[in-house]
Amino acid sequence: AQSVAQPEDQVNVAEGNPLTVKCTYSVSGNPYLFWYVQYPNRGLQFLLKYITGDNLVKGSYGFEAEFNKSQTSFHLKKPSALVSDSALYFCAVRDRGYGQNFVFGPGTRLSVLP
Amino acid sequence: DGGITQSPKYLFRKEGQNVTLSCEQNLNHDAMYWYRQDPGQGLRLIYYSQIVNDFQKGDIAEGYSVSREKKESFPLTVTSAQKNPTAFYLCASTEIGSNQPQHFGDGTRLSIL
Repeated sequence: AQSVAQPEDQVNVAEGNPLTVKCTYSVSGNPYLFWYVQYPNRGLQFLLKYITGDNLVKGSYGFEAEFNKSQTSFHLKKPSALVSDSALYFCAVRDRGYGQNFVFGPGTRLSVLP
Repeated sequence: DGGITQSPKYLFRKEGQNVTLSCEQNLNHDAMYWYRQDPGQGLRLIYYSQIVNDFQKGDIAEGYSVSREKKESFPLTVTSAQKNPTAFYLCASTEIGSNQPQHFGDGTRLSIL
């Protein structure tokens, strides 16, 4: 069965410092990988995805993610955190192929302290 | 702009009452989904549909029902059989068989009166 783990419930970082939000997955084959962000009382917003190719993926709002096949990880990163980055972050996988559903991690709450 | 519209944003249910949450998309997506999110928690799949007039149960379908009479619409009914309906409900859509992400609406917050 597919599963996604986000080992940290909460990540705290000072404004201006680099941030990392971790994600590991367990699926068969080569899935598509996604990161989403959720602000209070809002839906999930897509940040970036890994399909194939370069292991470093760049996305919206200065975020990027590093895919590591041997470690089955897809960690979200940003070189310099902003207070406005404080939100709930979700990692998700989607099997390649017709009609496959998404599996989401439990979410990591990021707090950027001024 | 294309997107997903959920309504109402806030909804209150009385004991023994069924309530229906609306989800409409103009993205021409075949697949639509309903998720439940409890405070501080992740998403749990209630129902999904990949084509008009067909839908499948997700992980927590008991106490919920759906219909898919039109491609753009996927309403969710929370029935009186759902004893703990208080949660944030999210609707999403995507293209089938693609590498595209899901698009999400802004949710409906359901509470019990």
